[in-house]
Amino acid sequence: EPEVTQTPSHQVTQMGQEVILRCVPISNHLYFYWYRQILGQKVEFLVSFYNNEISEKSEIFDDQFSVERPDGSNFTLKIRSTKLEDSAMYFCASSQAHRTSGAGLPTQETQYFGPGTRLLVL
Amino acid sequence: AQSVTQPDIHITVSEGASLELRCNYSYGATPYLFWYVQSPGQGLQLLLKYFSGDTLVQGIKGFEAEFKRSQSSFNLRKPSVHWSDAAEYFCAVGLGGYNKLIFGAGTRLAVHP
Repeated sequence: EPEVTQTPSHQVTQMGQEVILRCVPISNHLYFYWYRQILGQKVEFLVSFYNNEISEKSEIFDDQFSVERPDGSNFTLKIRSTKLEDSAMYFCASSQAHRTSGAGLPTQETQYFGPGTRLLVL
Repeated sequence: AQSVTQPDIHITVSEGASLELRCNYSYGATPYLFWYVQSPGQGLQLLLKYFSGDTLVQGIKGFEAEFKRSQSSFNLRKPSVHWSDAAEYFCAVGLGGYNKLIFGAGTRLAVHP
């Protein structure tokens, strides 16, 4: 069964350094997402991406964050200058194209999550 | 604003006992509802989902969930818990459209032998 993969599984970095988290979504999926989970807290949406542009981003996703689909398979999250509070588990997810209901409204496709990258900022 | 509440932070059950994990949501329109499970050190695995139709949905690993619109609930159930079910369980609501998921805080399940 196809699955979302993420690399690295763990990353330790110094505050102020740039990190790039990598994801390979499921191959026929068109929508891509990043979420994060700070230890002991709930999973939070960061950003969604479709057709090479951001569809939606949360207030967490400030100018320090960027996403890119550099080629046909990878989807990356870059944190430009890491802070201590960026320490978290980062999950990538992907979903197929949205269908529409009989009323022409977009429906919800299932998001499939990767195993996560645990980022520790020291 | 949309929200998901999982009232139980921790639940402990004995192996073989039945299980119900509670989830309540707040959302003005028809919700798209999910349950995910996260085993220690693992990612989020989809257990089941509700989009429309039959309000009792079956998932993997013997889990089921029932959507009750009148109670704004989507509780997860399993008739007989196995030790391998020990994990954290997350309820989520999808908003359609831009497809963002909003997660509850999770319920950590411990299973006693």
